[in-house]
Amino acid sequence: AQSVSQHNHHVILSEAASLELGCNYSYGGTVNLFWYVQYPGQHLQLLLKYFSGDPLVKGIKGFEAEFIKSKFSFNLRKPSVQWSDTAEYFCAAYNTDKLIFGTGTRLQVFP
Amino acid sequence: DVKVTQSSRYLVKRTGEKVFLECVQDMDHENMFWYRQDPGLGLRLIYFSYDVKMKEKGDIPEGYSVSREKKERFSLILESASTNQTSMYLCASTTGGGNEQFFGPGTRLTVL
Repeated sequence: AQSVSQHNHHVILSEAASLELGCNYSYGGTVNLFWYVQYPGQHLQLLLKYFSGDPLVKGIKGFEAEFIKSKFSFNLRKPSVQWSDTAEYFCAAYNTDKLIFGTGTRLQVFP
Repeated sequence: DVKVTQSSRYLVKRTGEKVFLECVQDMDHENMFWYRQDPGLGLRLIYFSYDVKMKEKGDIPEGYSVSREKKERFSLILESASTNQTSMYLCASTTGGGNEQFFGPGTRLTVL
């Protein structure tokens, strides 16, 4: 079955630390990839997406992600996190007819 | 701006009750989705719809049904609520295919 794996379930960082959240998907072929974020008490919103072209995509709030086809990965990065980045992050992949979500990574950033 | 609204933010029901969760989107999107979100499990797809009166089962459809009588409205129905259906329910819509999905604020349902 198709699946998306996020290996980091809970990440705790201090402000200004660098962030990398892992995401791997299980199927080959054409795939659209997404990172969504859910801030406390808010609805899920799109951080960034990859459909084709440049494998390094930039999103909102200084986030970026790199698509590495050979590794089936789409890791999320930010060079310097802020307290306001505290949220839950979901990786998702679209193939055929629906989005498959990972289990999410809870990020806590302390001042 | 796309707006997806859900009828309630919080809902408390009793076991065996019939529960209706409503979702409305205002951007004429063809596709609409219902997910449930549980800690450690991420989002799991319950049902989706590509068009009015059409529905497709997602990954966890058991115990749920849906209705789409109008393009902008997609309802999730729990025929006989059970405690294991206590969860956060999210509605989403999209123009189609693999495009970005837009999410509503969610309904936190508690079944006692």
